[in-house]
Amino acid sequence: TQLLEQSPQFLSIQEGENLTVYCNSSSVFSSLQWYRQEPGEGPVLLVTVVTGGEVKKLKRLTFQFGDARKDSSLHITAAQPGDTGLYLCAGAGWTSYDKVIFGPGTSLSVIP
Amino acid sequence: EPEVTQTPSHQVTQMGQEVILRCVPISNHLYFYWYRQILGQKVEFLVSFYNNEISEKSEIFDDQFSVERPDGSNFTLKIRSTKLEDSAMYFCASSGDLVHEQYFGPGTRLTVT
Repeated sequence: TQLLEQSPQFLSIQEGENLTVYCNSSSVFSSLQWYRQEPGEGPVLLVTVVTGGEVKKLKRLTFQFGDARKDSSLHITAAQPGDTGLYLCAGAGWTSYDKVIFGPGTSLSVIP
Repeated sequence: EPEVTQTPSHQVTQMGQEVILRCVPISNHLYFYWYRQILGQKVEFLVSFYNNEISEKSEIFDDQFSVERPDGSNFTLKIRSTKLEDSAMYFCASSGDLVHEQYFGPGTRLTVT
């Protein structure tokens, strides 16, 4: 069974600080996605990483896929209150390529 | 910008009743999914649907659940006889050529009493 773990579970920081959240698994994924979810709403896709070692940047957000394709990180520079939300990583396998497994999420709160 | 829509936004039903949750995926997408999220828990895969048939389903998706694409635009999830533990947010998602890039709808909150 493929499982994704995320850390930390909760994170509360001051506006302007940097942070990194992690997504780890013992399984290898064909791709990994990061989503952001607001309370009572559906997850919103932020990025997909496909190649081991890949780094993608989305404004102040930097996403990295581990070389072994088992882990990923999301780094936010100069966090803003608008970054507050639940950050979810999700991975797709090799054989069941359309069955995406979600991690439990990191709840981020950015205090003004 | 195209988006996935879901109706109703909130459904309250009595235990044992049948419910149908409706979704309109993004129009040129080919892959369709249902997920659920019990309050405070993680998003769980239920089923994926491609080419008018189920391609993957999880152990949650038992005989009480079924999916259908009755026409060219709608994608439905039916729960035949609801149980209290079916209470959750149900999300529909769709994807196109990039299968793993799934776009989610706003969800239907199902409350079983």
